[in-house]
Amino acid sequence: QVQLVQSGAEVKKPGASVKVSCQTSGYTFTDYLIHWVRQTPGQGLTWMGWINPKTGGYAQNFQGRITLTRDTSISTAYLEVTSLGSDDTALYYCAREVDGSTWATLQHWGQGTLITVSS
Amino acid sequence: DIQLTQSPSFLSASIGDRVTITCRASHDISTYLAWYQQKPGKAPKLLISAASTLQSGVPSRFSGGGSGTQFTLTISGLQPEDFATYYCQQLNSYPLSGFGQGTKLEIK
Repeated sequence: QVQLVQSGAEVKKPGASVKVSCQTSGYTFTDYLIHWVRQTPGQGLTWMGWINPKTGGYAQNFQGRITLTRDTSISTAYLEVTSLGSDDTALYYCAREVDGSTWATLQHWGQGTLITVSS
Repeated sequence: DIQLTQSPSFLSASIGDRVTITCRASHDISTYLAWYQQKPGKAPKLLISAASTLQSGVPSRFSGGGSGTQFTLTISGLQPEDFATYYCQQLNSYPLSGFGQGTKLEIK
């Protein structure tokens, strides 16, 4: 079955960077885009961006403050967020599209990674 | 940028009720809309794609409709497990997407 397993919670200081991993299994990693979504405490969902694991190309909506990468040898996608501020404290999810022809419709989700930014 | 506005933000209803949540888009998005359900401490669950296509395993009491700028998610005959937060997502502005602010459905 399709699984997305994310790295564990982290605490970071303001101004630091963080890199979250999303290890996938149960399907061919390069066949589906991986999206990233975050949820601030008690708030709604914010779509962040996606990466094409086959090409490494990606799109993001965070004014260049995030970098999306992947390692096809271990079927893992990564989200790096730089210049962290307190408002970046959130639960970060990776998610996979339902199929290869339905862009951004997200059926398979990781368990979420809590990033806490605190001095 | 396409903005999505859900209404209401909070909804109180009873078991067995029929409820409708609305999602309005700032621009025409055809039927490029999905609906998700999220329960506390859990990742979102995809309910409906392409505005009205029910995902496999989702109960038939859930239905979606609309096109253009106005969309609805209807739950006919609320069950205890339906009390959750619901989000719409627009899929029209490739390469960027976005979610509505959410509707929290609470038991009356």
